Formats: sequence, C-alpha cells, structure tokens
Amino acid sequence: QVQLVQSGAEVKKPGSSVKVSCKASGGTFSSYTISWVRQAPGQGLEWMGRIIPILGIANYAQKFQGRVTITADKSTSTAYMELSSLRSEDTAVYYCARDHDSSGWYHDYWGQGTLVTVSS
Amino acid sequence: DIQMTQSPSSLSASVGDRVTITCQASQDISNYLNWYQQKPGKAPKLLIYDASNLETGVPSRFSGSGSGTDFTFTISSLQPEDIATYYCQQYDNLRFTFGPGTKVDIK
Repeated sequence: QVQLVQSGAEVKKPGSSVKVSCKASGGTFSSYTISWVRQAPGQGLEWMGRIIPILGIANYAQKFQGRVTITADKSTSTAYMELSSLRSEDTAVYYCARDHDSSGWYHDYWGQGTLVTVSS
Repeated sequence: DIQMTQSPSSLSASVGDRVTITCQASQDISNYLNWYQQKPGKAPKLLIYDASNLETGVPSRFSGSGSGTDFTFTISSLQPEDIATYYCQQYDNLRFTFGPGTKVDIK
C-alpha cells in the first residue's frame, strides 16, 4: 500500500518561494511518477506537473512553466514541488499524487494536501 | 493543450436516482479519461480510469463510458455518501487536464 505524506502548511509573502515535500512509503519509489495538483479555495483541480524519479525528468503544465520546479530524492523517497514568484492567486491546497500507467495514466494514491497561503 | 468541459456544473437528485455527467475533450483522447470524486476537505479519489474501468474497491453503481471526445459518468442509484464534486481528467502527451467539476447533492 502506497502512502504519500506531505509537509505542513505554509504562509508566504508575495514574491517569495515555497517548497512542499511529499514522502512516499510502500512500493518502489523509483518506479513511480509523482504529479502535483493544486486547488485554490472553492475552485477546481489543476495539474501542475510531474516527475519520473528514476530519470530525474520533470514536465510541467504550460501555465506553470518557468515558475515551478519538481524534483525527487530517491535516497529518501521524497518528491518536492517548488513554486516561485508567489502571488495571492497561488493560495491553494497543493497535493502530490502517484501516477499509475495502464492504457493511459491516472492518479491512484494522493497525499493529504498542503495549504499554502500567500499574504502580505 | 487539450481543454475539458463538463456538464452540468451542478445537479440535485434524489436518493436512488440515476445521475449522469458528461465530459467532452477538445480533441480525440482515445480512452485516456479518468473520473475522480472529491468530498469537502479531502483529497480526490479515483473512481474510473481509462474511461470505463472501475478502480478496485469502488462500488459498482459507478460506471463510465465513451471514447474519442465524448464521455459519460453514471451513478446508477445515488446514495447519500455520493454527495461530492466529480472531476473528469484526460491524459495526453505527458500532460493531464482536469474538467471544471460537477457538484452533486441530494434534493
């Protein structure tokens, strides 16, 4: 059984950066891909990007390209999402999720979510 | 990027009713379409993957169908615990896109 445990809530100033972690247990971390999804208050789900830890390769949604960096540390089975140049609109719950491949891909396990609040 | 639309955006139905949600992709996505349920304050939960495959442990009253650009999600007999927002999601070219969601509640 895969479990994803995320770091705690953050409060950040506009213009700063935030780094959220997602520690995996169960399964083989290197064989996963991990996605990051965010949800602003009262809004829908928004996929941000994902990483293939075994390759260290990430790809991102066009909207976040240049502002988000997703990394992974295989030694600790932890994925990270760093978002820079924060603005108030980035206030959201950020989720990590494991991607599973079948015919297509889907997210079968999710972290508990991390609330990031951007406020001056 | 592929865009996803869902309808309706919200619905109210009675316990036992059949509920149907549609999802449309802006271009052909084959069967690379997933459905998630999200309850307030909780992470989303996978219900259906690859358009019509029921995730292990998910009740059989949930089902999905479709291919190409048009997809349908059905709850055959709505239960009180099904009150949630439902999202479709597509996968194409290494990227995912979610639909805007459909909020389901009890009439």
